[in-house]
Amino acid sequence: DTGVSQDPRHKITKRGQNVTFRCDPISEHNRLYWYRQTLGQGPEFLTYFQNEAQLEKSRLLSDRFSAERPKGSFSTLEIQRTEQGDSAMYLCASSLGAGFEKLFFGSGTQLSVL
Amino acid sequence: AQSVTQLDSHVSVSEGTPVLLRCNYSSSYSPSLFWYVQHPNKGLQLLLKYTSAATLVKGINGFEAEFKKSETSFHLTKPSAHMSDAAEYFCVVSDPLGEYNNNDMRFGAGTRLTVKP
Repeated sequence: DTGVSQDPRHKITKRGQNVTFRCDPISEHNRLYWYRQTLGQGPEFLTYFQNEAQLEKSRLLSDRFSAERPKGSFSTLEIQRTEQGDSAMYLCASSLGAGFEKLFFGSGTQLSVL
Repeated sequence: AQSVTQLDSHVSVSEGTPVLLRCNYSSSYSPSLFWYVQHPNKGLQLLLKYTSAATLVKGINGFEAEFKKSETSFHLTKPSAHMSDAAEYFCVVSDPLGEYNNNDMRFGAGTRLTVKP
């Protein structure tokens, strides 16, 4: 158990609906990351927070995606007007300080868009 | 731009035999390289990292990897496979400091390791 919690584990939705996922990082970790992993591919970076500030977003991130970390603790990722291509595993990771090797990953939220 | 290629999407070995998972990278500078493992319904876990120190890197659970600049490779090995090693393995390349630019970090597509009894 890595200590990063994601909710829900699975989400099935219809195309065009909005969905929201939650990530609770390890309590003292100041950095929080969201990744997306499609079937047969490795994770790809979506966005990153340091405390409550969103410092970096993927150049490829659609404006239908938005993320928040209002109090520097948990984070939410919202996808508006979902499309079938949004079907993927959404991973959250957290760390204390910089360095990829310091990341702890959650087990992810599996999204299926019908 | 950086990229990473895992040469095998699936590797199957018998318990007790050696494991070799292949990874080649492309980078405009000497990168940091990592191997991660993902067990079903579990989060990604770091196995080992290379950050320009020793070229032979030892990780957890008996895994090790060798950085070969001339071959642009970072293959993962283990002398003797265990049933618990069955999982998905990802090779990752990032900037040389490891204080990475997230947009430049790349995961490979993964190699699924199956271990037969």
